Amino acid sequence: ELKVEQNPLFLSMQEGKNYTIYCNYSTTSDRLYWYRQDPGKSLESLFVLLSNGAVKQEGRLMASLDTKARLSTLHITAAVHDLSATYFCAVGRDFGNEKLTFGTGTRLTIIP
Amino acid sequence: NAGVMQNPRHLVRRRGQEARLRCSPMKGHSHVYWYRQLPEEGLKFMVYLQKENIIDESGMPKERFSAEFPKEGPSILRIQQVVRGDSAAYFCASSHLAGGPNEQFFGPGTRLTVL
Repeated sequence: ELKVEQNPLFLSMQEGKNYTIYCNYSTTSDRLYWYRQDPGKSLESLFVLLSNGAVKQEGRLMASLDTKARLSTLHITAAVHDLSATYFCAVGRDFGNEKLTFGTGTRLTIIP
Repeated sequence: NAGVMQNPRHLVRRRGQEARLRCSPMKGHSHVYWYRQLPEEGLKFMVYLQKENIIDESGMPKERFSAEFPKEGPSILRIQQVVRGDSAAYFCASSHLAGGPNEQFFGPGTRLTVL
């Protein structure tokens, strides 16, 4: 059974600081997704990572994938308040069935 | 191009009633996934459907829950005889193709409250 773990679960950080969220998964996969969710809202797609060594950046967020280590990271640079949200990683496994297994989520709070 | 649509956005039911949740995928998408999110938790896969077919229902509770995606019309997630533990946010997502990494686009969710 595929398991996806994120850490930390909760993260409070000051504006302007850098931090990294980690996503580990238990079985082989070559596709990993990062989503953002604001309270009471749906999921917004941030990144799709499809190969070992993939790195994508959008604004202050950068995501990477190491399929050999079964690890993805979401790095936040110089955090600003509007990045406060819950961030989920999700792993897809099977061709022909793209169901996603989600991590537990990281609730990020940026403190002014 | 309208995104994934779900209705109702909020649904209140008393124990024992039925809940029907609807999902219209993005235009051109023929694959629908349903997920459930309990408070303070991540999303859990429930069922994957293509038009007129259930492909994977491994995440569906064995009783009271059913799903369909007819040839015409939205996908329906039906919960019979609801209990308080069914209170959750139910999200559907759609994608274009099977096979390969196809991004899923999520709807706004239906928040079910069982009194």
